[in-house]
Amino acid sequence: ETGVTQTPRHLVMGMTNKKSLKCEQHLGHNAMYWYKQSAKKPLELMFVYSLEERVENNSVPSRFSPECPNSSHLFLHLHTLQPEDSALYLCASSQDGAGNEKLFFGSGTQLSVL
Amino acid sequence: RKEVEQDPGPFNVPEGATVAFNCTYSNSASQSFFWYRQDCRKEPKLLMSVYSSGNEDGRFTAQLNRASQYISLLIRDSKLSDSATYLCVVNPPLDAGNMLTFGGGTRLMVKP
Repeated sequence: ETGVTQTPRHLVMGMTNKKSLKCEQHLGHNAMYWYKQSAKKPLELMFVYSLEERVENNSVPSRFSPECPNSSHLFLHLHTLQPEDSALYLCASSQDGAGNEKLFFGSGTQLSVL
Repeated sequence: RKEVEQDPGPFNVPEGATVAFNCTYSNSASQSFFWYRQDCRKEPKLLMSVYSSGNEDGRFTAQLNRASQYISLLIRDSKLSDSATYLCVVNPPLDAGNMLTFGGGTRLMVKP
């Protein structure tokens, strides 16, 4: 256990559905992240929150909407996704959001968009 | 040129072998370097940081070559349990975002 819990582990959705991914960290960290990992591609940073404020958004399409209600919880709201959005979505946390910190990852949500 | 580049492999080696991976990075002002390990269908986990003077942790040795802009990971006496994908991770400087950038990973398969 890394102290970062993601639900659900697997998700299948149609292009017209709305769903949310949830992440919770029990490490007392101040920064949380969403990464996307597609087959045969490097991890791509999607969003970073530090002390509940978004500090990074790497030009992610608006069909992905993050929410960080407090420093322990992070959500990724999904709507009208495309088949190419099928991937492993990983949540991570770190102490303060500095670039040289160790990242603690959750187990990920394997998303399939039909 | 990719920011962080790795040979995807797979590297197929017998148990007990020594194997080495390299990773090149494009921003010469990058500050911090790491190796993460990712098992099949699992999340990445930090294996070791890479220090300028090189560092060793048991069977694993990491080195940094700033002049040629690459880092390396050496695994001695390979075990079956070392089979995984090894991710090179680089922290670019503040003016380039200061967010960890991942390579695509090198897959290692250790055979009995």
